[in-house]
Amino acid sequence: AQKITQTQPGMFVQEKEAVTLDCTYDTSDPSYGLFWYKQPSSGEMIFLIYQGSYDQQNATEGRYSLNFQKARKSANLVISASQLGDSAMYFCAMRESASGGSYIPTFGRGTSLIVHP
Amino acid sequence: DTAVSQTPKYLVTQMGNDKSIKCEQNLGHDTMYWYKQDSKKFLKIMFSYNNKELIINETVPNRFSPKSPDKAHLNLHINSLELGDSAVYFCASSQDRRGTGALSNGYTFGSGTRLTVV
Repeated sequence: AQKITQTQPGMFVQEKEAVTLDCTYDTSDPSYGLFWYKQPSSGEMIFLIYQGSYDQQNATEGRYSLNFQKARKSANLVISASQLGDSAMYFCAMRESASGGSYIPTFGRGTSLIVHP
Repeated sequence: DTAVSQTPKYLVTQMGNDKSIKCEQNLGHDTMYWYKQDSKKFLKIMFSYNNKELIINETVPNRFSPKSPDKAHLNLHINSLELGDSAVYFCASSQDRRGTGALSNGYTFGSGTRLTVV
């Protein structure tokens, strides 16, 4: 079973509008972390935002916010006021405990976002 | 200053060859990782080291061997390269094994090494 599910392979949004990228996760670890990364066409992986499983408030970083619904195991990324430079692949990732005190970060398959002028 | 640097950026080689990819981080992080991104953009963790100790070793052919001479370096050696090894390999680091230290920005990635096996 997939640990991280991103159901939208592609999304389109008009410039200056808000867009929500979906992410659901599956874990039995009570202490986990959720991340979002952006990969533009140039290929680098850019950290956007982090949410801990015990965090009471939704994480925000500038135009990015994470809509964390713990009971539904969802961690959607909301980008407000989209810009052309937001066009990229977006990956949701989860860090959960593994054996021997290690932590395994697992990535979803990504959502390709295209922002139209 | 590049935080996580990988060399080479591009690597084209023939089947059966042995090659290495080097990674260095200057962030003072304790934990380093190797990821493989396939042609469909799927990112899969391969290995992780924490302070030179191997802590994650996912199901990877034993032709792949990581080496960490110190906590700032994590190299990946691949023996007997196969066509299916063609991918982008990313090195990453995090402040600690949880990826969420007090000053952490999650996992910091290098710019990737595009390996093409012909």
